[in-house]
Amino acid sequence: GNSVTQMEGPVTLSEEAFLTINCTYTATGYPSLFWYVQYPGEGLQLLLKATKADDKGSNKGFEATYRKETTSFHLEKGSVQVSDSAVYFCALSDSGGSNYKLTFGKGTLLTVNP
Amino acid sequence: DAGITQSPRHKVTETGTPVTLRCHQTENHRYMYWYRQDPGHGLRLIHYSYGVKDTDKGEVSDGYSVSRSKTEDFLLTLESATSSQTSVYFCAISGFAGGRGQPQHFGDGTRLSIL
Repeated sequence: GNSVTQMEGPVTLSEEAFLTINCTYTATGYPSLFWYVQYPGEGLQLLLKATKADDKGSNKGFEATYRKETTSFHLEKGSVQVSDSAVYFCALSDSGGSNYKLTFGKGTLLTVNP
Repeated sequence: DAGITQSPRHKVTETGTPVTLRCHQTENHRYMYWYRQDPGHGLRLIHYSYGVKDTDKGEVSDGYSVSRSKTEDFLLTLESATSSQTSVYFCAISGFAGGRGQPQHFGDGTRLSIL
């Protein structure tokens, strides 16, 4: 089956620090990969995505590269801000016959202090 | 933002009572989903719909039923609520499953407490 494993939180950083949130996956087909962000009291918002190997998704200073050889999709940002405090979810959509379903990791809580 | 409205946004009810949550979309998207979010579990798929009157089970469907009588509305029903169904429920929509990388767009959630 499909699964997503992301680093356990919570992660606490100071403003302007470098962020990495690790995400690895297993999939039966050739998945598309996503990062979603959830701010307090809100639903999930798509942050970025990548659909094939070596693709780099980017948005709002966040980046993640689809690494097929290591089955990974790590989220990075060079300089975090207090406003980046949120829960981040890695997810995959499998092309193996059920590509309309998302499989999520458990989420990583990020807190950025001023 | 995708036009998704969940109602109610908050509900408190008692064990054994029926509960219906509604998801309404204005995007004319084909696919609709219900998830629950619990600490330590991320989001788990309850049921989904791939068209009017076409639904299927997700990974945590026991105790839940759904209905979709028109494109814009997807209802989630707890026939006899239990305390284990206390959770935050999210609806999501997606336009087309055939293309790679089709994301889902989420509503703001319904916080359901069952006492």
